[in-house]
Parts: sequence; C-alpha cells; structure tokens
Amino acid sequence: SSELTQDPAVSVALGQTVRITCQGDSLRSYYASWYQQKPGQAPVLVIYGKNNRPSGIPDRFSGSSSGNTASLTITGAQAEDEADYYCNSRDSSGNHKVFGGGTKLTVL
Amino acid sequence: QVQLVQSGAEVKKPGASVKVSCKVSGYTLTELSMHWVRQAPGKGLEWMGGFDPEDGETIYAQKFQGRVTMTEDTSTDTAYMELSSLRSEDTAVYYCATELSSSSVYYFDYWGQGTLVTVSS
Repeated sequence: SSELTQDPAVSVALGQTVRITCQGDSLRSYYASWYQQKPGQAPVLVIYGKNNRPSGIPDRFSGSSSGNTASLTITGAQAEDEADYYCNSRDSSGNHKVFGGGTKLTVL
Repeated sequence: QVQLVQSGAEVKKPGASVKVSCKVSGYTLTELSMHWVRQAPGKGLEWMGGFDPEDGETIYAQKFQGRVTMTEDTSTDTAYMELSSLRSEDTAVYYCATELSSSSVYYFDYWGQGTLVTVSS
C-alpha cells in the first residue's frame, strides 16, 4: 500500500478548474512533486516544491500544500490535460521515496 | 539539458536476471542522482531506489532489497539497474530518472524513455 493517498479518478469539464489531492504524513515535512503521464509515455514533472513549474509547463498548473495534504490545481483544464497524475515525496521513515497511487483525470 | 536513453526491451524467463542501462548525455553522471522507477501494466509508478547525495550511498526500496543492484559507469556516463530472481510480477516498464533535491524539496526532473521487461516462461 502507498503512504501517499490519491483519489483514483477525477473528472472536469473543459475550461473548468480541478484540484487533485495527495495525502500522507510525510507531507507535513516534505513538499510533494507532481507528474503527468499520458498513455505510452514517460512521466513528466509538472510541479515541484512550494509551487514551481519547470520550463514549458503551462501556468494553468499550480501546486499548494496544507498540513498532510498536497494539491495540484489545473485552472481552465484543456483536453490535452487528460492524463494520469502522480504525487511523489519522501516516505515517513526518512530518505526513501514514495509515489501516490495516481489519479486518472478525465476532461469532459 | 539532460537526456537519458535506455536500453531496449527484454524478455526473460522466471528466475533469470535482467540488466537495464541508462545512458546520460548533456551532463556527467557524477553530477546527477540517478533513480529507478517501474510501472507494471495498468498500474502506478513504483520507486525502486537510487542515489542519496545526503548519505553518498545508493538506497533501495525495502521491497527490492537483496534482488536489485544499481551501479554506475562514470567512464561512459551510463547507469545500470540489475534485478535478479525475476518473477512474472516483475513484468513492467522500468524508468531511470534524475533527482534534484534541496532542503525539503525532492523531485525527478528528467526521465528515460522506459524499458519494457517481460518475464514469461
């Protein structure tokens, strides 16, 4: 079982805002990073740290954190945002890493 | 810009070992912290292990302890992941990924294209 918990599936209407969450005790101490994965492709980093986007990631992607929950928000979701999203952080024991179970985002 | 190019797909029999390579370009391997992540068909991402710069050692997920070995050849800037005693549940796409870390921030910024390992009799 994963130490980071994500909802398995979330849907959003085209152009609307969606929040994908990730819960875990380790998030009280470490920031989550977020990855987008489309079918047949390698994951792509979309958010890291407090709220940082790598070069090339649209500014409709943002991150936040409160207590044991990290969130990825897509403001004005586009059809191309339909993908699986994974959070990642250190685990509660120390220097090992752990991924959340993933959230499948459907854009309606 | 870092580029990671992995070796090709493998088919192995149960009980065998597999060694996947990850060739780095754009940086030298000594400048990077390399990790390995796998994904079984239709499943999520699973961290296997990688280099921890804070300790200067390679660390492995408990699940793979004793079966996985991650090594690096700095002369060719190539990282390797060897998994032994393969079973059908090890059928997955294996990714190498570089990690950046600072204070309480950790993230995988570059990924290889993935290597499909199929374990079948």
